[in-house]
Order: sequence, then C-alpha cells, then structure tokens
Amino acid sequence: AQKITQTQPGMFVQEKEAVTLDCTYDTSDPSYGLFWYKQPSSGEMIFLIYQGSYDQQNATEGRYSLNFQKARKSANLVISASQLGDSAMYFCAMREGDGNTPLVFGKGTRLSVIA
Amino acid sequence: DADVTQTPRNRITKTGKRIMLECSQTKGHDRMYWYRQDPGLGLRLIYYSFDVKDINKGEISDGYSVSRQAQAKFSLSLESAIPNQTALYFCATSDTSNWRDTQYFGPGTRLTVL
Repeated sequence: AQKITQTQPGMFVQEKEAVTLDCTYDTSDPSYGLFWYKQPSSGEMIFLIYQGSYDQQNATEGRYSLNFQKARKSANLVISASQLGDSAMYFCAMREGDGNTPLVFGKGTRLSVIA
Repeated sequence: DADVTQTPRNRITKTGKRIMLECSQTKGHDRMYWYRQDPGLGLRLIYYSFDVKDINKGEISDGYSVSRQAQAKFSLSLESAIPNQTALYFCATSDTSNWRDTQYFGPGTRLTVL
C-alpha cells in the first residue's frame, strides 16, 4: 500500500488565488513528520514546509501553510496568493518513527499558475 | 558553493555499460541517500547510508550498487546499464541529530541509457 497519496496529477490556479494540494498518508507509527517539496522545471528539489505529528499548530512558512488533519491522515499544502513562479511539481513526503527512516515520497502534483 | 554536489549532471550511455554517479556533501551530515525520479512515479529510494559502515537497500535497489567512501561521499553504480534505468537521479543528505530536519538534495543527474 502506498504510504503517501497525492490524488491530483495536475492542478490549475489563477494568479493571486489560493490553491490546495492534497496529500494523505498511511502510518501506524504515532511519531512521524510530513514534508512538502517544490520542484521547478529546472529540476532541483526545494524544501517548503514541515509538520510534525505532535505539533499542536498547523505549520506556516510565508505563503505556504499546511492544513494538517491528523484523524483523517491528511496534510494538504495551501499556497496563498499564487504567483507565476509557483508553477512546478509539488511532492509530499513522510518520515516515520524516530527519524531513522528515509523520506517516502508521493507521486507529486503538477501545479500550473495562469496569468 | 553548493552543499550537495552531484557529478556528472548529465550522462548519456549505452546499454551494458558500467556507470558511476558521484555525490559529495559539505554539510557534515552522516546520512546520505540515492533516489531516482521517473515521470508520474515521484521519487523512489534506491539505497541509503546512515554512516560510513552502514549501507541499506531501498525500495528499488536491483541493478544498482553503492559505495560510501567517506562521510562526505556516496557513489551509485549501475554495473550494466539498461534503458529502463533512464531517469533523474538525486543524492540527498540529512542530519542524525535533528530528525525533524529535512533532507537536502543535490541538483540531480539526468541519465539516459540508449
């Protein structure tokens, strides 16, 4: 079974609008961390935001926020005020346990921002 | 200078050839990883190493081998390349002391096997 599921292969959003990229995860470990990365067309992997399973508040980093719903095992990325430069692939990833495991990635969502 | 470097950045090779992809890091991290990325499949783990004497297989290790020559160097080898190993390969590092820390990725190596 997939540990990270991203159900939206592609998304479109109008410039300046907000967009939500979905991510659900599967783990029985009470300790885990969730990460989002951006991959622009140039190919590099850019870390965006992190959410720990015990964090009481949803993570935020500038225009990025994480809608963390633990009971539903979802960790959706919200990008506010989309910009043309936000067009990229976005990957959700999870690390389980005490950190002695590598990240496991979802298949990604391609976001296109339209002027 | 980049903290995680990969060489070569691009490589075209022929079926059956042996090829090595190299990764070096200046972050002082003890953990290093190799992933491959294929369109529509995300990043999949090939091998990882938690220190110089530790090597672990990932999800898709068949057809690959690795060498951890030093804390800062982690190489990936394809002993006999085949076309379905055409992919974008990423090296990454992370720090033991902070499991909340992200993995830091190199720029990637685009490998084409003809």
